[in-house]
Amino acid sequence: EAQVTQNPRYLITVTGKKLTVTCSQNMNHEYMSWYRQDPGLGLRQIYYSMNVEVTDKGDVPEGYKVSRKEKRNFPLILESPSPNQTSLYFCASSLSTQGDTEAFFGQGTRLTVV
Amino acid sequence: AQSVAQPEDQVKVAEGNPLTVKCTYSVSGNPYLFWYVQYPNRGLQFLLKYITGDNLVKGSYGFEAEFNKSQTSFHLKKPSALVSDSALYFCAVRDWGGYNKLIFGAGTRLAVHP
Repeated sequence: EAQVTQNPRYLITVTGKKLTVTCSQNMNHEYMSWYRQDPGLGLRQIYYSMNVEVTDKGDVPEGYKVSRKEKRNFPLILESPSPNQTSLYFCASSLSTQGDTEAFFGQGTRLTVV
Repeated sequence: AQSVAQPEDQVKVAEGNPLTVKCTYSVSGNPYLFWYVQYPNRGLQFLLKYITGDNLVKGSYGFEAEFNKSQTSFHLKKPSALVSDSALYFCAVRDWGGYNKLIFGAGTRLAVHP
C-alpha cells in the first residue's frame, strides 16, 4: 500500500529536549515536505526536499532542521523545542517537483512541548 | 501575495442535501488548485485538483469542484451529502514563489446531520 508513515503519532516533551520525528514514504517520490497545522492558520510549510541531499526552508523554518540522506526518509529535528512549537505536524510526499501532482500525507504527529 | 481564503469556518447541511464549501484564491501565474479532506485523527487525503482543461473537475467520493477564473474561485460541491462526509476540508494552491509549495486555506469544517 502506498503510504507516508510518521512516528511517533503523539509526543509530549519538555522544553529544550531534542527530538526527532521520523517520516518515510514507499512511493519513490522525489519531493517531500513538512507542514505544521495550527487552528485557524491551515497548514504552513516548514522545510522541503526536492531530492536526496537537497533541502530548503519553507515559510516557518525557525527552530527546525531536516535531512534527506535517503530518498524514502525525511526526518524532522527539533534541537531545542519550545512551547510555541506545540502543534500538529504532517509529512508529505509527491511524485512531481512541478506542483501538478497531489501530495500524500502522513497521519500526523501531535507534539506538545511543556 | 499569494493566498487562499475559505470564508466559512463551518458549513452545516442535512444529509441528502447538496453541499458547497467555498474557496477563493490569489496567485501570480497559472493556478494549480487542490482540495484535501481531513478526518479526525487522520492525515489529509487528496480529493481533486485543477491544473488545466475542463473547469468542472470530478474527484473522489462523489465530490466535484468548479474552477472560475473570473471570480478566482474553486468551490467544492457534492449533490447529496452523507453523514460520513463530515470532516475538515482544505483548499490549497501551488505557490509559484516557492518550489512546489502549497498554500493552504484555514479549513472549513463540514457537519452533515441526519
